[in-house]
Amino acid sequence: AQSVTQPDIHITVSEGASLELRCNYSYGATPYLFWYVQSPGQGLQLLLKYFSGDTLVQGIKGFEAEFKRSQSSFNLRKPSVHWSDAAEYFCAVGAVSSASKIIFGSGTRLSIRP
Amino acid sequence: GAVVSQHPSWVICKSGTSVKIECRSLDFQATTMFWYRQFPKQSLMLMATSNEGSKATYEQGVEKDKFLINHASLTLSTLTVTSAHPEDSSFYICSAPGDRGLKNIQYFGAGTRLSVL
Repeated sequence: AQSVTQPDIHITVSEGASLELRCNYSYGATPYLFWYVQSPGQGLQLLLKYFSGDTLVQGIKGFEAEFKRSQSSFNLRKPSVHWSDAAEYFCAVGAVSSASKIIFGSGTRLSIRP
Repeated sequence: GAVVSQHPSWVICKSGTSVKIECRSLDFQATTMFWYRQFPKQSLMLMATSNEGSKATYEQGVEKDKFLINHASLTLSTLTVTSAHPEDSSFYICSAPGDRGLKNIQYFGAGTRLSVL
């Protein structure tokens, strides 16, 4: 069965510091991987996605993620966080087929220390 | 990019009443839409897959008679919470896969916060 694990429930980093949010997945086939961000009371915004090709993907707002098949990981990184990055971050996995459902991890809440 | 509109954004209702939530794909067609439920400080749990012109597919444990889904057109899916009770209070979010070259990307509505008194 497919699943996504985000081991960190809550992370606090100082503004300007680097960030890495962890994501591990379990999937029987080649997965599509996503990172979404959700601000309080809002819907989800797609940060980046991995379908195939280069394992280091660039996203919006200065985020990037690296797909490591050997570790079943898709960690999200940002070299320098801004106060506006405080939000909930969800890693998700989907099947390699069109219009398929995706499964979300439990989320990591990011707080920024001034 | 594709836009998904969800309405209303917030609804308060009395226990025992029914509430309808709409999910529209504004600039693209969606033969499939997905409905999620999110409890405070928790992740999104897939409730059902809405299929245009056919019955919805519900995830295990989701009551079909409680959460009625209708997908009557290529741009509109509705979720009706019937005989709502306080335990149905939650944040409901819909999504639709993009069309053409964007089929593997889900676009999400802004969500509907349901409060049942």
